[in-house]
Amino acid sequence: GAVVSQHPSRVICKSGTSVKIECRSLDFQATTMFWYRQFPKQSLMLMATSNEGSKATYEQGVEKDKFLINHASLTLSTLTVTSAHPEDSSFYICSARDRGSTGELFFGEGSRLTVL
Amino acid sequence: SQQGEEDPQALSIQEGENATMNCSYKTSINNLQWYRQNSGRGLVHLILIRSNEREKHSGRLRVTLDTSKKSSSLLITASRAADTASYFCATDGGNTPLVFGKGTRLSVIA
Repeated sequence: GAVVSQHPSRVICKSGTSVKIECRSLDFQATTMFWYRQFPKQSLMLMATSNEGSKATYEQGVEKDKFLINHASLTLSTLTVTSAHPEDSSFYICSARDRGSTGELFFGEGSRLTVL
Repeated sequence: SQQGEEDPQALSIQEGENATMNCSYKTSINNLQWYRQNSGRGLVHLILIRSNEREKHSGRLRVTLDTSKKSSSLLITASRAADTASYFCATDGGNTPLVFGKGTRLSVIA
């Protein structure tokens, strides 16, 4: 089945540094990828929609300068958390929609960010 | 914005019992999907039911959809300890991102 690889799975960084998270679709092309954020015991909150070759579409309340998204190819999207602060600590999950899919999204395993 | 709302928020049952989770939503949909998430892991797609379908089965899973009531249910029969996880419903309005509910945390006690 389709696989979405997310890296790194865990990252700890100091406050003020930037962290990049990669999301790759391994065996299909994804024109659209989505980035979600999940707090403990909470649901997934959509942060942004990443379209290959164009600017990401951010949800209301999500700072685009804080969470930089790049979708340079049909198999790779990156999320960079810039100048991270402790309140940015969270579980970030990406998902990708297969170009030929009828609706199913494939999810990465998630990246747990801890900002000290 | 959140659309799906699952209930109960938490469910604890004995192994072998059936587990039923419900999901309600607010706007029209193309399909509704159920996902499972083990603690600290990504989501796993379980089943998709389209707006013109009323019931769907997959192994021990049975999903119903009532578009007039804007609700869906997920039934897991003969539950196992390994079914312990959080279960989310997500609505798909078309060429849009999925909108997830808050989830039901299922605990199956051996």
